[in-house]
Amino acid sequence: TQLLEQSPQFLSIQEGENLTVYCNSSSVFSSLQWYRQEPGEGPVLLVTVVTGGEVKKLKRLTFQFGDARKDSSLHITAAQPGDTGLYLCAGAQRSSNTGKLIFGQGTTLQVKP
Amino acid sequence: NAGVTQTPKFRILKIGQSMTLQCTQDMNHNYMYWYRQDPGMGLKLIYYSVGAGITDKGEVPNGYNVSRSTTEDFPLRLELAAPSQTSVYFCASSYSPLHDNEQFFGPGTRLTVL
Repeated sequence: TQLLEQSPQFLSIQEGENLTVYCNSSSVFSSLQWYRQEPGEGPVLLVTVVTGGEVKKLKRLTFQFGDARKDSSLHITAAQPGDTGLYLCAGAQRSSNTGKLIFGQGTTLQVKP
Repeated sequence: NAGVTQTPKFRILKIGQSMTLQCTQDMNHNYMYWYRQDPGMGLKLIYYSVGAGITDKGEVPNGYNVSRSTTEDFPLRLELAAPSQTSVYFCASSYSPLHDNEQFFGPGTRLTVL
């Protein structure tokens, strides 16, 4: 069974602080996606990383895919209250013809003003 | 485009009752998915479909059934509701099965079984 472990599960920080969320597996994935979910809504895709070692930036968010394609990280610089939400990583297999994703258990982020 | 819509938004069931969770997408996506989300557990795949008339089990299919008679609709049926099915249910769709393809999610149905 493929698993994705996210850490930490909960994070409560002050506005302006930096943070990193980790997504780890013993399995190799062909791509890693990061979704953000706000209360009462469905997840929304933030980014997809495909190549081992790839780094993508989305304003204050930096996403990295591990060289071995088994892990990924999300770094937020100068967090703002609007960053509050549940962050989910999801892995996909290139060989799959179903589009199925394996989701991590999520990291709940609270940014206090 | 409305995207992925789900009804109802909330529902309370008694043990043993049945219900259907509706999911419709207007993006002409072939690939559709049903997930359940429990606190601290992420999203678990219940059933999925790769096109009209084709469905298959996901990770946690017991107690659920699905059908896919059209490209747009992918209803999820609970036949004998149990407290363990208390959860938030999300329907999602995607254009392609490619590994880097985005899944679009509905707003969810919060179900409580008492």
